[in-house]
Amino acid sequence: EDKVVQSPLSLVVHEGDTVTLNCSYEVTNFRSLLWYKQEKKAPTFLFMLTSSGIEKKSGRLSSILDKKELFSILNITATQTGDSAVYLCAVEARAGGTSYGKLTFGQGTILTVHP
Amino acid sequence: EADIYQTPRYLVIGTGKKITLECSQTMGHDKMYWYQQDPGMELHLIHYSYGVNSTEKGDLSSESTVSRIRTEHFPLTLESARPSHTSQYLCASRGVVSPLHFGNGTRLTVT
Repeated sequence: EDKVVQSPLSLVVHEGDTVTLNCSYEVTNFRSLLWYKQEKKAPTFLFMLTSSGIEKKSGRLSSILDKKELFSILNITATQTGDSAVYLCAVEARAGGTSYGKLTFGQGTILTVHP
Repeated sequence: EADIYQTPRYLVIGTGKKITLECSQTMGHDKMYWYQQDPGMELHLIHYSYGVNSTEKGDLSSESTVSRIRTEHFPLTLESARPSHTSQYLCASRGVVSPLHFGNGTRLTVT
């Protein structure tokens, strides 16, 4: 069974701090790892990391994938109060396995950024 | 960005009622999914579909059912709602190489 574990479960920081969120996974025939940000509504897509793209960056957010050690990190620099949200990590398996096309989500990291 | 729509956004209904949560997407995506999420908890896959007339149960057992008669439409039905069905239901879709995109969800409360 595919498994995704995120840490820490919650994190409280002040504006301007840098945070690192962790995601470790076990999946048969790994295809991709995705990061989402969820505020009060539905998750919104941040990054997708695959074998051909193990590092992504967008503004203050960046993410890397370590396929050998089976983990990914999401970095947020110079945090702002608007970064407060739940950050979700998910993995997808390749075709051929029973979990093809399905995303398995971790439990999320609750990030709170104080002014 | 994918256009995926869920209705209603909020629903309060009495025990025993039959309800259908609607989900439509305009991107022509083959793959569609239903996730259930309780407040502060993780997402659990309850149903998915890889195309018309294809539906599968997800990892979390659910008393709901789904249908996929048209590519763009993936409704979820509860024949007899119970308080234990109170939750947020998120519909999502994706293309061949695109990431999963979610609708805004339906918050269901069964009294």
